[in-house]
Amino acid sequence: SQQGEEDPQALSIQEGENATMNCSYKTSINNLQWYRQNSGRGLVHLILIRSNEREKHSGRLRVTLDTSKKSSSLLITASRAADTASYFCATEMTGGFKTIFGAGTRLFVKA
Amino acid sequence: SAVISQKPSRDICQRGTSLTIQCQVDSQVTMMFWYRQQPGQSLTLIATANQGSEATYESGFVIDKFPISRPNLTFSTLTVSNMSPEDSSIYLCSVEESGYEQYFGPGTRLTVT
Repeated sequence: SQQGEEDPQALSIQEGENATMNCSYKTSINNLQWYRQNSGRGLVHLILIRSNEREKHSGRLRVTLDTSKKSSSLLITASRAADTASYFCATEMTGGFKTIFGAGTRLFVKA
Repeated sequence: SAVISQKPSRDICQRGTSLTIQCQVDSQVTMMFWYRQQPGQSLTLIATANQGSEATYESGFVIDKFPISRPNLTFSTLTVSNMSPEDSSIYLCSVEESGYEQYFGPGTRLTVT
């Protein structure tokens, strides 16, 4: 079963604009991770944020976590055509080791 | 991060046959996982591969259909048994590292005809 729900399901923006994707989950978590998947290829790990953290940055990526609302967001600033991909959030639930994936957001960046 | 390889990278199989997928990691890891990604969908966890004991399967997945081996801390196999076209998917193994990041292999694209 999927733990996370992401919105929007699909997002189309112009190059240079910012892209924001949201993830909501249902149960308490140890951490939340974001991944990128280019069409037909493997998953690239982007960033992990722990349950006691509220914000993390990595290059053009900014991730926030609000455990009271059970939600997270991924912001990609100054998007590029190469950012076109599917983005997934994945949560490791408290008390376990397994990581459950959300449905994903398909991002299309137009050059 | 760990380097993970999978074999085969892709295969086309006949209905009713079985395929064993191998996952090799370049370092010792405690936690290994197998996922399935059906076309256009997200990833679904099949099972956690435990070294020295039976795998732990998620709801909807059973050992008879997806037997898993984990003979050591760097290697695991997933077998897809008695395949049907509904088993056509990408199968991915992943490992959890000490910082809790989870990394994925490149996947095995399976087509069942």
